[in-house]
Amino acid sequence: EDQVTQSPEALRLQEGESSSLNCSYTVSGLRGLFWYRQDPGKGPEFLFTLYSAGEEKEKERLKATLTKKESFLHITAPKPEDSATYLCAVQAETGNQFYFGTGTSLTVIP
Amino acid sequence: NAGVTQTPKFQVLKTGQSMTLQCAQDMNHNSMYWYRQDPGMGLRLIYYSASEGTTDKGEVPNGYNVSRLNKREFSLRLESAAPSQTSVYFCASSHLSGLNQPQHFGDGTRLSIL
Repeated sequence: EDQVTQSPEALRLQEGESSSLNCSYTVSGLRGLFWYRQDPGKGPEFLFTLYSAGEEKEKERLKATLTKKESFLHITAPKPEDSATYLCAVQAETGNQFYFGTGTSLTVIP
Repeated sequence: NAGVTQTPKFQVLKTGQSMTLQCAQDMNHNSMYWYRQDPGMGLRLIYYSASEGTTDKGEVPNGYNVSRLNKREFSLRLESAAPSQTSVYFCASSHLSGLNQPQHFGDGTRLSIL
């Protein structure tokens, strides 16, 4: 069964304190792994797509990496405006469905 | 840039009532999706439409029906609402299903069933 697990569930950081969020997955052939940001009361907002192990993508203070079993979202010197829930999703080679993790709620304290 | 628009934003229903959630996208996307999001459960796929004229069941389709009205619009209907359907419903679209295309989401419909 295809599954996505995110950890930790919640993370509190001081402004400037770098950390990483984890997304581990089991899927029968990975077509793509997606990271989203979700603010309260809003829909998920697309951040990155990763397709193959070893791939990295960067956007401002965020960097996403991918291995054969997991992905990391590294947050460097976070600011309060980075506070949000970060969701990971995978799409398998077979089928059209996306499988989402339950997310990591990030709070960055000034 | 509207993107994906969902209506209504909030709704309260009584058990047994019916209603239709509307979704429209202006990005000329082929594929559209309906999800529900519940605390601790993550986003779960209800139905999707890979292209105009086709619909398929997702992970949790029971109690729901969908209609792909045209390329832009994809509606979700609850025929006889139950308290277990209290949730936040998100519509999403992507350029082509099955081809690594990210999904773009609306801001959701918050539905409470009493």
